[in-house]
Amino acid sequence: AQKVTQAQTEISVVEKEDVTLDCVYETRDTTYYLFWYKQPPSGELVFLIRRNSFDEQNEISGRYSWNFQKSTSSFNFTITASQVVDSAVYFCALLARAGGTSYGKLTFGQGTILTVHP
Amino acid sequence: AAGVIQSPRHLIKEKRETATLKCYPIPRHDTVYWYQQGPGQDPQFLISFYEKMQSDKGSIPDRFSAQQFSDYHSELNMSSLELGDSALYFCASSSSTDEQYFGPGTRLTVT
Repeated sequence: AQKVTQAQTEISVVEKEDVTLDCVYETRDTTYYLFWYKQPPSGELVFLIRRNSFDEQNEISGRYSWNFQKSTSSFNFTITASQVVDSAVYFCALLARAGGTSYGKLTFGQGTILTVHP
Repeated sequence: AAGVIQSPRHLIKEKRETATLKCYPIPRHDTVYWYQQGPGQDPQFLISFYEKMQSDKGSIPDRFSAQQFSDYHSELNMSSLELGDSALYFCASSSSTDEQYFGPGTRLTVT
């Protein structure tokens, strides 16, 4: 069974602060993928990043960076110099291959509500 | 670039009525997923289809059914609607790269 835990229910920061969203996962599969999605108030789910279990290289995309540590089963997300437009719910998700096939369901964490104040 | 299309975007139904939600995946995507997101909750997997065959099933009530058609669009049929079915229903599609791209969702309100 897969499980994703986002311990931070809500985070509130002031604009330009850095903020890190934590994600811890559980799976028995050796091949899996980790994702982050952003859900703004409008409701859609916006794909941010995908990481596979064999690639522990950290990634930076503009103000966003991700730290994947297999040893601690964590996939944390940092926003540098936060902006008001970053206010949203952020979901971490896990996908484990269903018997080695090319499809699988996403298991989401509970989400972290990020509010960035001006 | 083309995205996942869902229709309708909003739907209001009364208890015990039926509803049909439609999903048009990104062209050349062979897998479709349905998720249900209740208020303040994370999306929960309902069902998926790969090449028009059901590939996986989650916590989908027996009152719900779904299928994927020859043109790869999918429909989620919901009968005997209950108040608790009020939620945001997402469809997502993917190809072999496993990135699931989500549609804008259908907001179902049952009164």
